[in-house]
Amino acid sequence: DQQVKQNSPSLSVQEGRISILNCDYTNSMFDYFLWYKKYPAEGPTFLISISSIKDKNEDGRFTVFLNKSAKHLSLHIVPSQPGDSAVYFCAASDRNFNKFYFGSGTKLNVKP
Amino acid sequence: ETGVTQSPTHLIKTRGQQVTLRCSSQSGHNTVSWYQQALGQGPQFIFQYYREEENGRGNFPPRFSGLQFPNYSSELNVNALELDDSALYLCASSFTSGAYNEQFFGPGTRLTVL
Repeated sequence: DQQVKQNSPSLSVQEGRISILNCDYTNSMFDYFLWYKKYPAEGPTFLISISSIKDKNEDGRFTVFLNKSAKHLSLHIVPSQPGDSAVYFCAASDRNFNKFYFGSGTKLNVKP
Repeated sequence: ETGVTQSPTHLIKTRGQQVTLRCSSQSGHNTVSWYQQALGQGPQFIFQYYREEENGRGNFPPRFSGLQFPNYSSELNVNALELDDSALYLCASSFTSGAYNEQFFGPGTRLTVL
């Protein structure tokens, strides 16, 4: 029962260009959405989040967009840097924050 | 401030055995969540403990159990190990206050079941 889906296992982008990572969800009870970044041999680290009352949240080079009607969110990285190369997971929770559902991840490769 | 630590780093068990994995939460955190990450998959939520009580559970059988101690460290116990239990087990700690608070993940324990 995959409630959060990332349909692109990998993405390759040139340094300086925009990276767009996509995520879809099925549960309309989800109220909070997060993006995590994971390097090999490390645990995921929090990147950016968005509440369902917003449709956009920006933090430096990272922007998350939420389209509730389409049950879709995306992460934009502009400009992309080689250090951004990692696996990116989207995750979702309801407002109780006692269960988090993760997608299967997208491996981003930013080429110099 | 010490981050989230997990032990052991790697573990090899045989089918049918029992295993205990340990997690030390970040200082000041009162909530710990455990996740199973199979190869090529995202983390799957196992359960969450808040102030020593189970606060939420994912779709895992009862042979997956946990404990949270007064110092907020935590254990994940898995009985009757199966081959499919081979995975990276992640714990994450946070401070629960009603609103969302960031989860901090440990580096994980790699469990191999033979």
